[in-house]
Amino acid sequence: DAKTTQPPSMDCAEGRAANLPCNHSTISGNEYVYWYRQIHSQGPQYIIHGLKNNETNEMASLIITEDRKSSTLTLPHATLRDTAVYYCIVRAAQGAQKLVFGQGTRLTINP
Amino acid sequence: SAVISQKPSRDICQRGTSLTIQCQVDSQVTMMFWYRQQPGQSLTLIATANQGSEATYESGFVIDKFPISRPNLTFSTLTVSNMSPEDSSIYLCSVGGDRVYGYTFGSGTRLTVV
Repeated sequence: DAKTTQPPSMDCAEGRAANLPCNHSTISGNEYVYWYRQIHSQGPQYIIHGLKNNETNEMASLIITEDRKSSTLTLPHATLRDTAVYYCIVRAAQGAQKLVFGQGTRLTINP
Repeated sequence: SAVISQKPSRDICQRGTSLTIQCQVDSQVTMMFWYRQQPGQSLTLIATANQGSEATYESGFVIDKFPISRPNLTFSTLTVSNMSPEDSSIYLCSVGGDRVYGYTFGSGTRLTVV
């Protein structure tokens, strides 16, 4: 079973920041938080991951709370191409372990 | 990150027949994963395929229905056997575990069984 909880859907205006929450209250000390997205009819795409520090890359920012029980993915300036299903996943870093997908958040960017 | 070529991209098949999906990776990888995504649903892991050993199947999936081959470190196949309309889904392969890039997914095979 997935170890994360996400809202089923969210809307955001184009050009605004999209903030996607994720709860992972049972996360273990050695587990990372990963974010993927799936644009319609494509395979999931890696976005970002983190352990306990905030992370930023060219796509997004990830803020993990101090107790690590929740996190927020931020797309700073959402575009129509960011419309997708976003998945928050936790897994241990050691080895090539399987990813367990929850239902994700369907993010719709509106013009 | 690895680049995956998955074939076919889509197919329409008659019930009772079988379809073999191929996944080719541009680098050697230890584990490959096969997922199913039913219409409107999230991804469900079917099995993990290691080179040189039997695949490990998740609960609800059996080898007779979804036989997997892993002849080398860059290639795997998934066969959907004795298909029924309920098998209509997108099937995806995945590789990864690299801490920087995470997992890479193929573009998927959209299967319709009629």
